[in-house]
Amino acid sequence: GESVGLHLPTLSVQEGDNSIINCAYSNSASDYFIWYKQESGKGPQFIIDIRSNMDKRQGQRVTVLLNKTVKHLSLQIAATQPGDSAVYFCAEVLSGNTPLVFGKGTRLSVIA
Amino acid sequence: DAGVTQSPTHLIKTRGQHVTLRCSPISGHKSVSWYQQVLGQGPQFIFQYYEKEERGRGNFPDRFSARQFPNYSSELNVNALLLGDSALYLCASNQQGGGEKLFFGSGTQLSVL
Repeated sequence: GESVGLHLPTLSVQEGDNSIINCAYSNSASDYFIWYKQESGKGPQFIIDIRSNMDKRQGQRVTVLLNKTVKHLSLQIAATQPGDSAVYFCAEVLSGNTPLVFGKGTRLSVIA
Repeated sequence: DAGVTQSPTHLIKTRGQHVTLRCSPISGHKSVSWYQQVLGQGPQFIFQYYEKEERGRGNFPDRFSARQFPNYSSELNVNALLLGDSALYLCASNQQGGGEKLFFGSGTQLSVL
């Protein structure tokens, strides 16, 4: 993914509202996608994944949407909580044994 | 169940020194991947090992090397450290290699002075 330097895009939401974090992925042939949450000083935490043959997948309080036409991935978080404050990364896998490639991160800030 | 464990958690080295970072994968996982994360950026792929064999290598110089042991744990070695090697080094594991269902450890924060 491209470097965003020290200035990550930031999304600020009120506690209890829904959050939508967007990601433009790089390769139209990518087969599999993951969303990760990374808190300060910790490693990326697996949230949810989706294959390219799906356009929507739901987890607990989270939904991932995939639009292959425009190479766009989004993560929706319902009823956002202060504990959701973190940097969120999308990542893609081209196919088979190819490595996971991370996209740009977005910092989510929840206002209590 | 224990997740991916990495040691040490923090490390301070000086330029020109050598460093070894260690990783134990989730039980049952046979593949380990290493990533470098510079402050403010997403993780960048360094290596992947599966069943003790190198499966993939990212765009990093030969100063970086790794290996996987019979118990599936792994070491990342970096020689002739540069200031620019300062980063969070992340280890991740999954069952069968590639990038799917990849679970990360908390990383080793390396500072090169």
